[in-house]
Amino acid sequence: GAVVSQHPSWVICKSGTSVKIECRSLDFQATTMFWYRQFPKQSLMLMATSNEGSKATYEQGVEKDKFLINHASLTLSTLTVTSAHPEDSSFYICSARPLDRDYGYTFGSGTRLTVV
Amino acid sequence: AQSVTQLGSHVSVSEGALVLLRCNYSSSVPPYLFWYVQYPNQGLQLLLKYTSAATLVKGINGFEAEFKKSETSFHLTKPSAHMSDAAEYFCAVSDGGRIYFGSGTKLNVKP
Repeated sequence: GAVVSQHPSWVICKSGTSVKIECRSLDFQATTMFWYRQFPKQSLMLMATSNEGSKATYEQGVEKDKFLINHASLTLSTLTVTSAHPEDSSFYICSARPLDRDYGYTFGSGTRLTVV
Repeated sequence: AQSVTQLGSHVSVSEGALVLLRCNYSSSVPPYLFWYVQYPNQGLQLLLKYTSAATLVKGINGFEAEFKKSETSFHLTKPSAHMSDAAEYFCAVSDGGRIYFGSGTKLNVKP
């Protein structure tokens, strides 16, 4: 149980376009989902906390107008990279936790974004 | 505030040798501690977690970790390394809300 599906697994887009990444909890509900970014050879960096039915909470230094997060239901959060640039190329991972647990995050398989 | 420090960005061991990956945490409340493994171009996989039960935690693939409050450590060990253990390992701490990761340790296993 506690499966998180992330889609797409990889995407290539042109500079200036927008890309949407989906994070779905398949067999549980999650009021909170987290979005991380991983640069090559570096650790995960928490970008934002996605809250169902309310605005996301962004970490310091993360542009909320560039990384739009929508958490419209208890099983889906989306991250949209707007007006993408090559420096946005990275590995994006989401995570979530079932409502009835206070530990044990499940991570999606990640999305490799390449902006050309 | 929560944080973790992983000592050694790269660790190299011979196949069959002991694996020891170090993690020290900082937490203002009793922490939840985790070890994750990441294979290239894949998401994280949970190896094991500490949630204030037994201090010696056994995980998957023969890994285990011991929570030592006096040393604020949660080191990951495996008695005998296998080639398939070559990956990047992340220690993480949570206060029940957000989760914070260490910088990762890349494990290389030599034949």
